[in-house]
Amino acid sequence: QSALTQPASVSGSPGQSITISCTGTNNDVGNYNYVSWHQQHSGQAPKLMIYEVSNRPSGVSNRFSGSKSGNTASLTISGLQTEDEADYYCSSYTGNNIRIFGGGTKLTVL
Amino acid sequence: EVQLLESGGDLVQPGGSLRLSCAASGFSFGTYSMNWVRQVPGKGLDWVSGASGSGGSINYADSVKGRFTMSRDNSKNTVYLQMNSLRAEDTAVYHCAKGVDFFVGSTFDYWGQGVLVTVSS
Repeated sequence: QSALTQPASVSGSPGQSITISCTGTNNDVGNYNYVSWHQQHSGQAPKLMIYEVSNRPSGVSNRFSGSKSGNTASLTISGLQTEDEADYYCSSYTGNNIRIFGGGTKLTVL
Repeated sequence: EVQLLESGGDLVQPGGSLRLSCAASGFSFGTYSMNWVRQVPGKGLDWVSGASGSGGSINYADSVKGRFTMSRDNSKNTVYLQMNSLRAEDTAVYHCAKGVDFFVGSTFDYWGQGVLVTVSS
């Protein structure tokens, strides 16, 4: 049950687009379309932003999008806003009713 | 409105036990899986355990298997996490999280604020 691999940090300026990667294996990300992304602001509970690779829950801005290629999933945020500054975590189903997370990525909006 | 309220966090000595509870409201409780996810302050998220909507399927991370027991009481809309043989590395904020469907392994669409468990002598 090794964690998924995410960059420790990414940054961008308001209005720009950024992409956060999430790399797993063919036992998790590569084998299931059950990748999700959560946003966590400091001191708050996580919030679901993307599920099943590319689906947005109701109420989540369409500036957030997800995709997957092979063993790597990606979260793209377009039109960066200051309120997007947060930690982002990917997670994936691994089979056997187990779910794992990535180590998290700190997004800084400069 | 979905609400998840955890309780039971405390300071406990290594080797000790603790039981966490999570009271849920605002949705059809028995229709959805429920999970415990922990987070060491300043660190990442770590899935601990999940139970299917009926409680008939319960799974654990390897790090807690044999020490932690998750259960749910659908008549009380509550899930529990019994933690035994606690270790310093179990120190974390423990979040209760609702699954997006009935099955364990589905992602989480609502989270509680969490309770702090500190394991220290």
